[in-house]
Amino acid sequence: QKEVEQDPGPLSVPEGAIVSLNCTYSNSAFQYFMWYRQYSRKGPELLMYTYSSGNKEDGRFTAQVDKSSKYISLFIRDSQPSDSATYLCAMSADWDYKLSFGAGTTVTVRA
Amino acid sequence: GAGVSQSPSNKVTEKGKDVELRCDPISGHTALYWYRQSLGQGLEFLIYFQGNSAPDKSGLPSDRFSAERTGGSVSTLTIQRTQQEDSAVYLCASSLDVSASYEQYFGPGTRLTVT
Repeated sequence: QKEVEQDPGPLSVPEGAIVSLNCTYSNSAFQYFMWYRQYSRKGPELLMYTYSSGNKEDGRFTAQVDKSSKYISLFIRDSQPSDSATYLCAMSADWDYKLSFGAGTTVTVRA
Repeated sequence: GAGVSQSPSNKVTEKGKDVELRCDPISGHTALYWYRQSLGQGLEFLIYFQGNSAPDKSGLPSDRFSAERTGGSVSTLTIQRTQQEDSAVYLCASSLDVSASYEQYFGPGTRLTVT
C-alpha cells in the first residue's frame, strides 16, 4: 500500500463548479500538507501548504486537513478553464526533508 | 525573481550513453532536491543537497546515478550508461533551506528519452 493515496481521476467539471480533491495517507508522523498544481509538460507549482490540522484559504482555494482521519482535501471554488491541470498532494513529517507525493488527480474544467 | 531553471528541457539519448542534467536553483536557496516523475507515477525522491553536501543519497535508483553541487548553487545529475527505464521527467526543486522543505519550488523539468 502506498504511503499517500490519491484518486487519479480524471475529473471533469463545468466552469463555475466547485472542484473537490482529496488524499489519504497512512503515516501519522506527517505534519506538513501541500498541494501542487502541474500543467502539462511543466513543473509542479506550489499552491499552498498547511501545518497540522485545520483549514487554510487562499483566494478560490481552500485546503483542509483532518489528521484524525488521515485525510486532506483541496477545494477550488468558481473553477475556471485555466484551473485545468493535474493536482498533486504532498506531505512530510516535521523532521523530514522528503516529500511523499500522491499520484495526482487530472482535472478538466469545461467552458 | 527568477525561478528554478533546468537544462536541457528535452534530451534524447541512445541506450548506454551518459547524460548530464543541470539545475539552477532560486538565488539564496541553500537546499536543492532532485525528483523523477515517470508516466503515471508520482514524484520519486532521488537526492537532496544542503549547501554542497548530499547527506542522503538513498533515493538514487542505482550506482549509475550521481549528483553534485558546487558553489552552493548549480547542481548536476549524471546518469551513466543510460537504460530505457531511465526515461522520465527529472525535476529539480529548491527551498530556502532544508528546514523549509515543505515549501519547495520546482523547475520545469528535463524530459529524458532513452532509445
